[in-house]
Amino acid sequence: QVQLVQSGAEVKKPGASVKVSCKASGYTFTGYYVHWVRQAPGQGLEWMGWINPNSGDTNYAQRFQEWVTLTRDTSISTAYMELSRLRSGDTALYYCARAPCVGGDCYFDYWGQGTLVTVSS
Amino acid sequence: SYELTQPPSVSVSPGQTARITCSGESLPKKYAYWYQQKSGQAPVPVIYEDSKRPSGIPERFSGSSSGTLATLTVSEAQVEDEADYYCYSADSSAHHRGVFGGGTKLTVL
Repeated sequence: QVQLVQSGAEVKKPGASVKVSCKASGYTFTGYYVHWVRQAPGQGLEWMGWINPNSGDTNYAQRFQEWVTLTRDTSISTAYMELSRLRSGDTALYYCARAPCVGGDCYFDYWGQGTLVTVSS
Repeated sequence: SYELTQPPSVSVSPGQTARITCSGESLPKKYAYWYQQKSGQAPVPVIYEDSKRPSGIPERFSGSSSGTLATLTVSEAQVEDEADYYCYSADSSAHHRGVFGGGTKLTVL
């Protein structure tokens, strides 16, 4: 069965970086895009970007372009989201999601369990 | 930047029909997707490509899209349908960047 298992919760200080992993199983990792979505406490879903695990191509939401980096390691079927220069406003639950995409239309059919990142001094 | 607009809340009685709208300029060219999120849980897809229903989703969930407006309809709403619902689509003009609507709280009581 398809599973996306994310790394555990993180507590970071302002200005630090965090790297969240998303390990895929039950399907061909390079056959589907991986998107990242975050949700601040009590707030809505916010799309951050995607990575094509096959080519390594990425696409970021404009507001995240300068401080989010999406990577992958195909040898272990794992995608990563690194967020730098953390601020308290980055405290959120971060999700990865598998997505078949055609011409920019992407369907998030499976989601990870979410990783809570807390930024606090 | 591209935005999708949803009403903050919709309220119906059990057995009534709930309609949640999502407005966006690129919707004539891009599909709308709908996700249900219950408290403390990851989102679950309920409609994809405007009107298709994933396996396991009850038939009372349906979707449509016309022009710049996509609509999620929950027919004969049940108490267990109470949740936050988010539409998602992509910007047809800017590298196909994705965006979620602000979310709609569906109350069934």
